[in-house]
Amino acid sequence: DTGVSQDPRHKITKRGQNVTFRCDPISEHNRLYWYRQTLGQGPEFLTYFQNEAQLEKSRLLSDRFSAERPKGSFSTLEIQRTEQGDSAMYLCAGSQQFNSPLHFGNGTRLTVT
Amino acid sequence: KNQVEQSPQSLIILEGKNCTLQCNYTVSPFSNLRWYKQDTGRGPVSLTIMTFSENTKSNGRYTATLDADTKQSSLHITASQLSDSASYICVVSEEAAVNKLTFGGGTRVLVKP
Repeated sequence: DTGVSQDPRHKITKRGQNVTFRCDPISEHNRLYWYRQTLGQGPEFLTYFQNEAQLEKSRLLSDRFSAERPKGSFSTLEIQRTEQGDSAMYLCAGSQQFNSPLHFGNGTRLTVT
Repeated sequence: KNQVEQSPQSLIILEGKNCTLQCNYTVSPFSNLRWYKQDTGRGPVSLTIMTFSENTKSNGRYTATLDADTKQSSLHITASQLSDSASYICVVSEEAAVNKLTFGGGTRVLVKP
């Protein structure tokens, strides 16, 4: 157990609906990352927070995606108007420093029907 | 474009045997190389992190090597156990970049009794 929790573990939604995922990192982790992973592939970077500031966003993060980290604690990732191509595992990870290991949660598996 | 290539894509080994996974990268400038283990349906877990000056690092039955000149790394699993069945992901970090982690596609290992 890495101490990073994600909720829900699984989400099935219909195309066009909005979904929101939550990540609770370890309290010492001032850096928080969101990744997307499809079957058989490595994780792809989506966005990065240092404390409450969103410092970087991948071009994969279309305007349908938004992430927040109020007060630098938990984070949420929202996908609006979901598409079937959004079906993937969404992973959250935290770390203390740049060169320290990433501690991943067990992800939220999204299925868009 | 920074890339991390892993080989083989998958392999099957008998319990108790050893195996070696390969990782070649083109990330530059290089900061560190990480190996993660990912069980099915779970988030990746860190095995090792190596910087430019380190050429080998062990974590129990896992030993990683790094040749920064040839930009190659390997992960050796000794005396494999059924619990080693997982995907192993090589991740390379770009120097001085807050979030420039390039993930390989992983090697899927299946250990059979």
